[in-house]
Amino acid sequence: EVQLVESGGGVVQPGGSLRLSCAASGFTFDDYAMHWVRQAPGKGLEWVSLISGDGGSTYYADSVKGRFTISRDNSKNSLYLQMNSLRTEDTALYYCATGHRGFFDYWGQGTLVTVSS
Amino acid sequence: EIVMTQSPATLSVSPGERATLSCRASQSVSSNLAWYQQKPGQAPRLLIYGASTRATGIPARFSGSGSGTEFTLTISSLQSEDFAVYYCQQYNNWPPSGTFGQGTKVEIK
Repeated sequence: EVQLVESGGGVVQPGGSLRLSCAASGFTFDDYAMHWVRQAPGKGLEWVSLISGDGGSTYYADSVKGRFTISRDNSKNSLYLQMNSLRTEDTALYYCATGHRGFFDYWGQGTLVTVSS
Repeated sequence: EIVMTQSPATLSVSPGERATLSCRASQSVSSNLAWYQQKPGQAPRLLIYGASTRATGIPARFSGSGSGTEFTLTISSLQSEDFAVYYCQQYNNWPPSGTFGQGTKVEIK
């Protein structure tokens, strides 16, 4: 059974940093590209970032480019999102998801990031 | 950027009735279209990909159709567990990924 468990969310001031983690199990982790997708409170879904299975390619939404960094450790079956220079508009539930074909097969339950002074 | 527009924003349907949800792309996405279901307090769940292929474990009452710019998700006979928000997502420009529609809420009439 595929399991994705996010952690690392919390409350941070504008301009601050946070590192999210996603622990994966139930599938061959390095065979899959992985994504972060976020959802602001009461709003729709927004793709944030993608990393290839070997970690060699990364992509970002324009809204986070230059501030967020996606990475993975295939030896630990883990995905990360380093978020710097956080803004109030980054407040959202952050999901990790599998997706090596462009859509998102499996999703974690999310971790909440709140950016507020 | 390809913009996805879903209609209606809210659909009121009685249990057992048919629900038809629409999704329109601002330019052709071929058949690179997925549908997700999201219930309150839960993560989204993949229903359909490739515009019409049901994901693993998805009941046959869910069906997708369309190509190019016009897509439809049909729920043939609504069950109580189907009341949720549904999102479409195009992935024609993969990688990196694609854009979502704003969602259609299916509520009990």
